[in-house]
Amino acid sequence: GQQVMQIPQYQHVQEGEDFTTYCNSSTTLSNIQWYKQRPGGHPVFLIQLVKSGEVKKQKRLTFQFGEAKKNSSLHITATQTTDVGTYFCISPGTYKYIFGTGTRLKVLA
Amino acid sequence: DAGVIQSPRHEVTEMGQEVTLRCKPISGHNSLFWYRQTMMRGLELLIYFNNNVPIDDSGMPEDRFSAKMPNASFSTLKIQPSEPRDSAVYFCASSSTSGNTIYFGEGSWLTVV
Repeated sequence: GQQVMQIPQYQHVQEGEDFTTYCNSSTTLSNIQWYKQRPGGHPVFLIQLVKSGEVKKQKRLTFQFGEAKKNSSLHITATQTTDVGTYFCISPGTYKYIFGTGTRLKVLA
Repeated sequence: DAGVIQSPRHEVTEMGQEVTLRCKPISGHNSLFWYRQTMMRGLELLIYFNNNVPIDDSGMPEDRFSAKMPNASFSTLKIQPSEPRDSAVYFCASSSTSGNTIYFGEGSWLTVV
Protein backbone atom coordinates (compact mmCIF):
# COMPACT_ATOMS: atom_id res chain seq x y z
CA GLY A 1 0.00 0.00 0.00
CA GLN A 2 0.96 3.61 -0.48
CA GLN A 3 1.28 5.51 2.76
CA VAL A 4 -0.22 8.95 3.01
CA MET A 5 0.68 11.65 5.52
CA GLN A 6 -2.23 13.15 7.41
CA ILE A 7 -2.43 16.56 9.09
CA PRO A 8 -3.13 17.83 11.61
CA GLN A 9 -2.65 15.11 14.22
CA TYR A 10 -4.98 16.86 16.64
CA GLN A 11 -7.64 19.51 16.32
CA HIS A 12 -9.87 21.09 18.91
CA VAL A 13 -12.79 23.13 17.63
CA GLN A 14 -15.76 24.84 19.18
CA GLU A 15 -19.08 23.28 18.33
CA GLY A 16 -20.38 24.94 15.20
CA GLU A 17 -16.95 25.66 13.74
CA ASP A 18 -15.70 23.97 10.58
CA PHE A 19 -12.96 21.36 10.52
CA THR A 20 -10.67 20.07 7.79
CA THR A 21 -8.12 17.28 7.72
CA TYR A 22 -5.71 16.70 4.87
CA CYS A 23 -3.93 13.71 3.42
CA ASN A 24 -0.92 14.03 1.18
CA SER A 25 1.19 11.63 -0.82
CA SER A 26 4.34 12.05 -2.86
CA THR A 27 3.05 9.53 -5.38
CA THR A 28 -0.15 9.23 -7.36
CA LEU A 29 -2.79 7.29 -5.51
CA SER A 30 -5.12 4.81 -7.16
CA ASN A 31 -7.84 5.55 -4.63
CA ILE A 32 -8.31 6.82 -1.13
CA GLN A 33 -10.58 5.70 1.66
CA TRP A 34 -11.70 7.58 4.76
CA TYR A 35 -12.57 5.98 8.08
CA LYS A 36 -13.84 7.32 11.38
CA GLN A 37 -13.14 5.89 14.81
CA ARG A 38 -15.25 7.09 17.72
CA PRO A 39 -13.60 7.15 21.17
CA GLY A 40 -13.55 3.61 22.50
CA GLY A 41 -14.75 2.25 19.18
CA HIS A 42 -13.31 0.77 16.05
CA PRO A 43 -12.62 2.36 12.66
CA VAL A 44 -15.63 2.46 10.39
CA PHE A 45 -15.56 3.05 6.65
CA LEU A 46 -16.94 6.41 5.51
CA ILE A 47 -16.22 6.72 1.81
CA GLN A 48 -13.94 5.89 -1.09
CA LEU A 49 -12.69 8.31 -3.75
CA VAL A 50 -11.34 7.05 -7.03
CA LYS A 51 -11.52 9.72 -9.71
CA SER A 52 -9.29 12.74 -10.15
CA GLY A 53 -10.97 15.83 -8.71
CA GLU A 54 -13.80 13.80 -7.23
CA VAL A 55 -15.99 15.45 -4.60
CA LYS A 56 -18.47 13.53 -2.50
CA LYS A 57 -20.75 14.71 0.28
CA GLN A 58 -22.33 13.00 3.23
CA LYS A 59 -24.54 15.52 5.01
CA ARG A 60 -22.08 17.95 6.64
CA LEU A 61 -19.01 16.02 5.46
CA THR A 62 -17.34 16.86 2.14
CA PHE A 63 -14.60 14.65 0.74
CA GLN A 64 -12.29 15.70 -2.07
CA PHE A 65 -9.69 13.93 -4.14
CA GLY A 66 -7.06 16.16 -5.72
CA GLU A 67 -6.74 16.63 -9.45
CA ALA A 68 -3.33 14.98 -9.41
CA LYS A 69 -4.63 12.22 -7.12
CA LYS A 70 -1.88 12.97 -4.62
CA ASN A 71 -3.97 14.52 -1.90
CA SER A 72 -7.37 14.40 -0.33
CA SER A 73 -9.34 16.30 2.26
CA LEU A 74 -12.27 15.84 4.57
CA HIS A 75 -14.18 18.96 5.55
CA ILE A 76 -16.86 19.03 8.22
CA THR A 77 -19.20 22.00 8.23
CA ALA A 78 -20.56 23.23 11.56
CA THR A 79 -19.13 20.49 13.73
CA GLN A 80 -21.26 18.77 16.31
CA THR A 81 -20.26 16.78 19.37
CA THR A 82 -21.13 13.62 17.45
CA ASP A 83 -18.22 14.36 15.10
CA VAL A 84 -15.72 13.66 17.87
CA GLY A 85 -13.28 10.90 16.98
CA THR A 86 -10.25 10.06 14.90
CA TYR A 87 -10.40 10.32 11.14
CA PHE A 88 -8.11 8.20 9.01
CA CYS A 89 -7.29 8.30 5.34
CA ILE A 90 -5.67 5.33 3.67
CA SER A 91 -4.76 4.33 0.18
CA PRO A 92 -4.98 0.57 0.05
CA GLY A 93 -2.58 -1.01 -2.35
CA THR A 94 -2.36 -4.67 -2.96
CA TYR A 95 -3.37 -6.30 0.33
CA LYS A 96 -1.94 -3.60 2.60
CA TYR A 97 -4.00 -1.10 4.56
CA ILE A 98 -1.74 1.31 6.45
CA PHE A 99 -3.61 3.65 8.83
CA GLY A 100 -1.14 5.56 10.98
CA THR A 101 -2.25 8.07 13.62
CA GLY A 102 -5.02 9.87 11.78
CA THR A 103 -6.46 13.21 12.90
CA ARG A 104 -8.04 13.30 16.32
CA LEU A 105 -10.93 15.75 16.49
CA LYS A 106 -12.28 17.11 19.72
CA VAL A 107 -15.39 19.26 19.67
CA LEU A 108 -15.93 21.61 22.58
CA ALA A 109 -19.56 22.27 23.42
CA ASP B 1 -24.87 -10.53 9.01
CA ALA B 2 -22.30 -10.86 11.77
CA GLY B 3 -19.31 -8.59 11.58
CA VAL B 4 -15.75 -9.42 12.53
CA ILE B 5 -15.84 -11.13 15.90
CA GLN B 6 -12.99 -10.85 18.34
CA SER B 7 -12.37 -12.40 21.71
CA PRO B 8 -11.68 -11.68 24.44
CA ARG B 9 -12.93 -8.11 24.52
CA HIS B 10 -10.87 -7.31 27.58
CA GLU B 11 -7.94 -9.11 29.11
CA VAL B 12 -5.73 -8.28 32.04
CA THR B 13 -2.73 -10.51 32.48
CA GLU B 14 0.52 -10.60 34.33
CA MET B 15 3.84 -10.00 32.69
CA GLY B 16 5.31 -13.23 31.37
CA GLN B 17 2.00 -14.89 30.70
CA GLU B 18 0.89 -16.08 27.30
CA VAL B 19 -1.92 -14.15 25.65
CA THR B 20 -4.04 -15.48 22.80
CA LEU B 21 -6.39 -13.20 20.90
CA ARG B 22 -8.94 -14.69 18.56
CA CYS B 23 -10.70 -13.48 15.46
CA LYS B 24 -13.47 -14.70 13.21
CA PRO B 25 -13.57 -12.69 9.96
CA ILE B 26 -16.68 -11.93 7.99
CA SER B 27 -17.76 -14.99 6.05
CA GLY B 28 -16.51 -14.87 2.48
CA HIS B 29 -13.74 -12.38 3.17
CA ASN B 30 -10.37 -13.62 2.00
CA SER B 31 -8.09 -11.02 3.58
CA LEU B 32 -7.51 -10.73 7.32
CA PHE B 33 -5.51 -8.14 9.18
CA TRP B 34 -4.22 -7.73 12.72
CA TYR B 35 -3.62 -4.22 14.03
CA ARG B 36 -2.36 -2.79 17.30
CA GLN B 37 -3.45 0.66 18.47
CA THR B 38 -1.78 2.84 21.06
CA MET B 39 -1.90 6.56 21.71
CA MET B 40 1.71 7.02 20.75
CA ARG B 41 1.95 4.88 17.63
CA GLY B 42 -1.57 5.03 16.29
CA LEU B 43 -3.01 2.10 14.38
CA GLU B 44 -0.17 -0.21 13.35
CA LEU B 45 -0.56 -3.05 10.89
CA LEU B 46 1.04 -6.14 12.41
CA ILE B 47 0.32 -8.83 9.85
CA TYR B 48 -2.10 -9.65 7.08
CA PHE B 49 -3.25 -12.87 5.51
CA ASN B 50 -4.71 -13.55 2.11
CA ASN B 51 -6.51 -16.83 1.59
CA ASN B 52 -5.17 -18.00 4.96
CA VAL B 53 -1.56 -17.41 3.93
CA PRO B 54 0.54 -14.79 5.75
CA ILE B 55 1.53 -12.25 3.13
CA ASP B 56 3.46 -9.75 5.19
CA ASP B 57 4.42 -9.96 8.86
CA SER B 58 6.92 -7.11 8.78
CA GLY B 59 4.83 -5.20 11.31
CA MET B 60 5.11 -7.88 13.97
CA PRO B 61 7.19 -6.18 16.67
CA GLU B 62 9.32 -9.14 17.71
CA ASP B 63 9.51 -12.89 18.03
CA ARG B 64 7.22 -12.86 21.04
CA PHE B 65 4.37 -12.20 18.63
CA SER B 66 2.99 -14.86 16.33
CA ALA B 67 -0.16 -15.16 14.25
CA LYS B 68 -1.87 -18.07 12.59
CA MET B 69 -4.84 -18.59 10.32
CA PRO B 70 -5.58 -22.31 10.21
CA ASN B 71 -8.73 -21.83 8.14
CA ALA B 72 -10.80 -19.16 6.45
CA SER B 73 -12.94 -18.51 9.50
CA PHE B 74 -10.43 -18.27 12.32
CA SER B 75 -7.20 -16.53 13.23
CA THR B 76 -5.15 -16.09 16.38
CA LEU B 77 -2.59 -13.59 17.54
CA LYS B 78 -0.37 -14.88 20.31
CA ILE B 79 2.02 -13.02 22.58
CA GLN B 80 4.42 -15.13 24.58
CA PRO B 81 5.73 -13.97 26.97
CA SER B 82 3.71 -10.81 27.37
CA GLU B 83 5.24 -7.55 28.59
CA PRO B 84 3.67 -4.36 29.96
CA ARG B 85 4.57 -2.50 26.74
CA ASP B 86 2.28 -4.87 24.86
CA SER B 87 -0.71 -3.19 26.51
CA ALA B 88 -2.85 -1.87 23.68
CA VAL B 89 -6.04 -2.44 21.76
CA TYR B 90 -5.65 -5.19 19.19
CA PHE B 91 -7.99 -5.08 16.21
CA CYS B 92 -8.73 -7.77 13.71
CA ALA B 93 -10.16 -6.72 10.36
CA SER B 94 -11.17 -8.38 7.14
CA SER B 95 -11.96 -7.49 3.55
CA SER B 96 -13.30 -9.35 0.56
CA THR B 97 -10.81 -8.23 -2.07
CA SER B 98 -7.62 -6.28 -2.06
CA GLY B 99 -8.43 -2.58 -2.07
CA ASN B 100 -11.99 -3.02 -0.87
CA THR B 101 -13.52 -1.68 2.29
CA ILE B 102 -11.98 -3.12 5.41
CA TYR B 103 -14.21 -4.07 8.33
CA PHE B 104 -12.92 -4.01 11.87
CA GLY B 105 -13.87 -6.02 14.90
CA GLU B 106 -14.57 -4.25 18.16
CA GLY B 107 -11.05 -4.93 19.40
CA SER B 108 -9.39 -6.76 22.25
CA TRP B 109 -8.26 -4.43 25.05
CA LEU B 110 -5.11 -5.95 26.53
CA THR B 111 -3.50 -4.81 29.75
CA VAL B 112 -0.28 -6.46 30.89
CA VAL B 113 0.66 -5.68 34.48
